[in-house]
Parts: sequence; C-alpha cells; structure tokens
Amino acid sequence: GQQVMQIPQYQHVQEGEDFTTYCNSSTTLSNIQWYKQRPGGHPVFLIQLVKSGEVKKQKRLTFQFGEAKKNSSLHITATQTTDVGTYFCAGPFSSGSARQLTFGSGTQLTVLP
Amino acid sequence: SQTIHQWPATLVQPVGSPLSLECTVEGTSNPNLYWYRQAAGRGLQLLFYSVGIGQISSEVPQNLSASRPQDRQFILSSKKLLLSDSGFYLCAWSPRQAEKLFFGSGTQLSVL
Repeated sequence: GQQVMQIPQYQHVQEGEDFTTYCNSSTTLSNIQWYKQRPGGHPVFLIQLVKSGEVKKQKRLTFQFGEAKKNSSLHITATQTTDVGTYFCAGPFSSGSARQLTFGSGTQLTVLP
Repeated sequence: SQTIHQWPATLVQPVGSPLSLECTVEGTSNPNLYWYRQAAGRGLQLLFYSVGIGQISSEVPQNLSASRPQDRQFILSSKKLLLSDSGFYLCAWSPRQAEKLFFGSGTQLSVL
C-alpha cells in the first residue's frame, strides 16, 4: 500500500556531531513535509518541499527533496541538545476522493552532552 | 491567529468505560480536522478525518468513533474502552486536505 519509510528509527549522537534522517516513498509525491516532536510534546511543522531537487535550509537544518520526488532527507549540522526529539516526514497520498498525509515512522534523535 | 485546543491532557480509564475527547479550533472556518493516535515511541496513525460538519472518514476499523457536531469541533468517542486503546491521541487541523497540519497538545490515555 501507499507508505512512507523512514530510517533510522533511532539515532544517538554526541553533541556537535551531524545527524541525518532519510525518508522514502513508494510513489512520487507532490510535496513532502517535515515535523519535529519534542519528548512529551506534539508534532510541530518544520517545512514543506515541493520542487524536484529542492534544498531548503533553516539555520543548522538542511532539507532535500529528491530529483524523482520519492525521497527526502533532513540533515542537522553540529547537533545541540535542543535538537532532541523525533523527526517525522509526511507525504500526501490519495484515499478514495480524498488526499491525506501519511507519516513516516519517525527518527528519534538523542543528543548526548 | 488560529489556535487548537484539546482536552484533557491526561486520562486514566478502566477497561469497558466510555471515552470522550474533545478538540476545538479557533480563528479559522471549515478546517479539515483529524484524530491521530501514537503508541509509545511509535509513529502517527490516522484514525479519522473530517472535511466538514457531519462528514467523517475512518481510516482504521476499531473500537472508536468520531463526530463533528460543529464546524470547529471534533470529538473522539468510545462506548467501551479496550486495553489496546491506550496511547497518545492527537487532534490536528489543516486549511485544506494534505496541507500542513497544526496539532493540539495531545491526550495521554491509559486504559487499565
């Protein structure tokens, strides 16, 4: 079925190290979104990528959308303890006459001080 | 500005008891509304979504139901809770289908 695969499931890094999470779709996506959920909190929208090969940056975060619009990545440079949380990608899929977001399983990031 | 309210924040219920979780959105009209469930350390599972009053779509057959009695009110219910209903329940809204979601603060439900 329509799904979004995300790896790794868990990542532990030392503060200052880089971190990357990858997202792959079974089909071409019109866009891909990224969310961050802090421990005990709710997911918060980070960014949406629409164009093939698009790259967007938010401070130390770099988001990429693949040329085929079937994969995406989030890279964090020089992680800080404030980066701790679970990062989800999400893509729109059709369900009957509706289109809804399907979320990846998330990557839980732990940053060791 | 738009805000979303979800309550209660935590809930402990015995097996077999009923459930009612409420979510309201302010500052927008005709939002798409969603209920998600998140098991501990897991991803987000879409339970129900609604594109308008009285219009409910279910993604997963289960012990739960949803209703939208007013444009900006979304309710998640159960007549008899099961142990497997435990989890973190999140309400969300978006301006249009498949656009970015704004989540409520969530309800941590423990069924004992």
